[in-house]
Amino acid sequence: AQSVSQHNHHVILSEAASLELGCNYSYGGTVNLFWYVQYPGQHLQLLLKYFSGDPLVKGIKGFEAEFIKSKFSFNLRKPSVQWSDTAEYFCAVTNNAGNMLTFGGGTRLMVKP
Amino acid sequence: GAVVSQHPSRVICKSGTSVKIECRSLDFQATTMFWYRQFPKQSLMLMATSNEGSKATYEQGVEKDKFLINHASLTLSTLTVTSAHPEDSSFYICSAPETTNYGYTFGSGTRLTVV
Repeated sequence: AQSVSQHNHHVILSEAASLELGCNYSYGGTVNLFWYVQYPGQHLQLLLKYFSGDPLVKGIKGFEAEFIKSKFSFNLRKPSVQWSDTAEYFCAVTNNAGNMLTFGGGTRLMVKP
Repeated sequence: GAVVSQHPSRVICKSGTSVKIECRSLDFQATTMFWYRQFPKQSLMLMATSNEGSKATYEQGVEKDKFLINHASLTLSTLTVTSAHPEDSSFYICSAPETTNYGYTFGSGTRLTVV
C-alpha cells in the first residue's frame, strides 16, 4: 500500500522567508503527486501536480515542487512567503491507475507579518 | 474546470438523527466519488469510495451501516450519517477524479456538528 509522510507538522516563518515542506512517499510503481492547500475556513485547493516530464513543477501563487524519484520525495518550495500563505498544506499521491489519493498528515504553516 | 458542488456546508443536528450530505459533479460525470473525513488538526482520512451503480467500498474501521453512501447517478453521490452522535462531528469532504486532466476536484466540505 502506498503511504505519504510529511515530516514537518508545524512551521512558523516570518514574511519573506523561504519555505520548503518535505514530502516522502512509499510506492514502488509510477506515481502522480499533488500538493494541496487548505486556507482557514476554506476547502482544499490544488497548488500543483506532477504526472510526468520536467520534475520541477511550478504551481499557483509562486509555489514549486521538485520530484526526486531516487529519494521518493516531492518537496514543496516557495522563495519568499507572505502572510496570506498561512494555511495547511497536504501532499498526496496516487498510483498511475488514478485510484484514490493517499494524503500525508499535513503541515500547518503560520507566517508572521 | 471541473466542479463538485457539496452541500450543506454546515449542519447542526441532534443526537440520534440522520444527516444527508450531497456531492454533485456539475460539468462532468463522476463515476467515482471519494468521501473523506477530517478531524480537527488532522489530515483527511478516506472513509469510502463510491462507484455509480454499485456498492460503496468502505475503509477498514468505517461502519457501513452508519455512513450510508449512495451513488445513484453519474452526477450525484450522497453520504448519510445515520443515528448521529457527537463523536461524528467532523468535516466531511468529497472528491471526484477529473476526466480530462487526471486531477481531482474537491467539494467545499460539510462541517457537521452533532449536539
